[in-house]
Amino acid sequence: DAKTTQPTSMDCAEGRAANLPCNHSTISGNEYVYWYRQIHSQGPQYIIHGLKNNETNEMASLIITEDRKSSTLILPHATLRDTAVYYCIVTSGNTPLVFGKGTRLSVIA
Amino acid sequence: DTGVSQNPRHKITKRGQNVTFRCDPISEHNRLYWYRQTLGQGPEFLTYFQNEAQLEKSRLLSDRFSAERPKGSFSTLEIQRTEQGDSAMYLCASSLTQVEYNEQFFGPGTRLTVL
Repeated sequence: DAKTTQPTSMDCAEGRAANLPCNHSTISGNEYVYWYRQIHSQGPQYIIHGLKNNETNEMASLIITEDRKSSTLILPHATLRDTAVYYCIVTSGNTPLVFGKGTRLSVIA
Repeated sequence: DTGVSQNPRHKITKRGQNVTFRCDPISEHNRLYWYRQTLGQGPEFLTYFQNEAQLEKSRLLSDRFSAERPKGSFSTLEIQRTEQGDSAMYLCASSLTQVEYNEQFFGPGTRLTVL
């Protein structure tokens, strides 16, 4: 079973920031938080990952709480092409990924 | 295109037939994973390889499912005596274990429909 809890769906206005929450209260000390997304009819795509510090790349920012029990993925300026299912995954090392149902983000014009 | 490729993209078969799917990973990626995804669900892990060695196969859904990666490059997933419940998207992913983080690159998937 997935070790994360995410809202089923969210809406975001185009051009605004999309903030996607994830709870992972049972995360272990050596486990990272990963985010993937899946656009309709495509395979999942890696977005970002982090251990305990906040991370930023060209796609998104990841904010992890100090106790590491939750995190937020931020898409700073959502576009229509960001409409997808977003998966928060807790994992260590190069191991098979355990996906939950994710959050279906709809970006609205 | 240097991404993960999967063939065929779509497969329609009749119940009881055998099907085989192929995955070509990114060149030099030593890990290869197979996942299955049904409608409305996230991908579900099935099996994975490091080079030609199959590291985990207990998650294969039944003994009708088998996978191999004979030369450590491409992989095949076979389903024997297909059932309607096997209808799903079958995804392949590859990664490089020399990289410290778990970035898996997914292919576009093979959509199986069993009639």
